[in-house]
Amino acid sequence: AQTVTQSQPEMSVQEAETVTLSCTYDTSESNYYLFWYKQPPSRQMILVIRQEAYKQQNATENRFSVNFQKAAKSFSLKISDSQLGDTAMYFCAFGKRNTNAGKSTFGDGTTLTVKP
Amino acid sequence: EPEVTQTPSHQVTQMGQEVILRCVPISNHLYFYWYRQILGQKVEFLVSFYNNEISEKSEIFDDQFSVERPDGSNFTLKIRSTKLEDSAMYFCASTPGRSAQYFGPGTRLLVL
Repeated sequence: AQTVTQSQPEMSVQEAETVTLSCTYDTSESNYYLFWYKQPPSRQMILVIRQEAYKQQNATENRFSVNFQKAAKSFSLKISDSQLGDTAMYFCAFGKRNTNAGKSTFGDGTTLTVKP
Repeated sequence: EPEVTQTPSHQVTQMGQEVILRCVPISNHLYFYWYRQILGQKVEFLVSFYNNEISEKSEIFDDQFSVERPDGSNFTLKIRSTKLEDSAMYFCASTPGRSAQYFGPGTRLLVL
C-alpha cells in the first residue's frame, strides 16, 4: 500500500515571495505518478502539476515547480511569486502508472495562506 | 476546456434517506472514480469504475453504496439509508487512463 505524508499542516508566505511545500511518500512501485492538487475555499480540487516517476526532469507549470527526488521519495512543490489567489489547501497525491484504473492516494494536506 | 461536472452542488437529507449523486465525466475518459472528503480530513478513495464494472473499492464502500453508469454520459453514486457520518464532500473524477485524474467541483452532502 502507498502512503503520502505532508508534514506541514499550515504555512504562510508574503505575497510575491516563494514558498515550498513538502511531501514524502512510500511505495514499492517503480512506475507511478505524483500530483499536487489545490483546494481553495470553494473546496474544488484543481490539478496544479504532475510528475511521472520515470522522468528525471522536474515538472514546471508557470509559477509552480516541483523538486522530485525519487531515491528519497520526496516531492516538494515550490510556488514562486506567491499571489493572494494561491491561498488554499494543497494536497500531494500518488497514483500507480502501471494500472490504468489506479486510484489516487492523498496526503493530509497543507493549508497555505498568502499574506498581503 | 472539458470539465467534470457534478450535481447537485449541495444536498441536505434526513438520516435514513437515500441519495443519488450525479457526475458527468469528461467525454473521452474511460475510468471513473468517487472520492469523499469529510470536513477537515484528507480525500479518501471510495471506488473506481471501468467498462461498466467496479475495478476497485475501498473498505468504506460497503453495501450501503453503489455506482452505476446508466447511460453514455452519467456516472452516479447511490447512498442508501444515509447516516450522520456520511456527511462529506463527494468528488467524482475521471481519467483517460495512465494520466492525472480530473476532479469535479464536488457535491456537499449534509445528513441531518
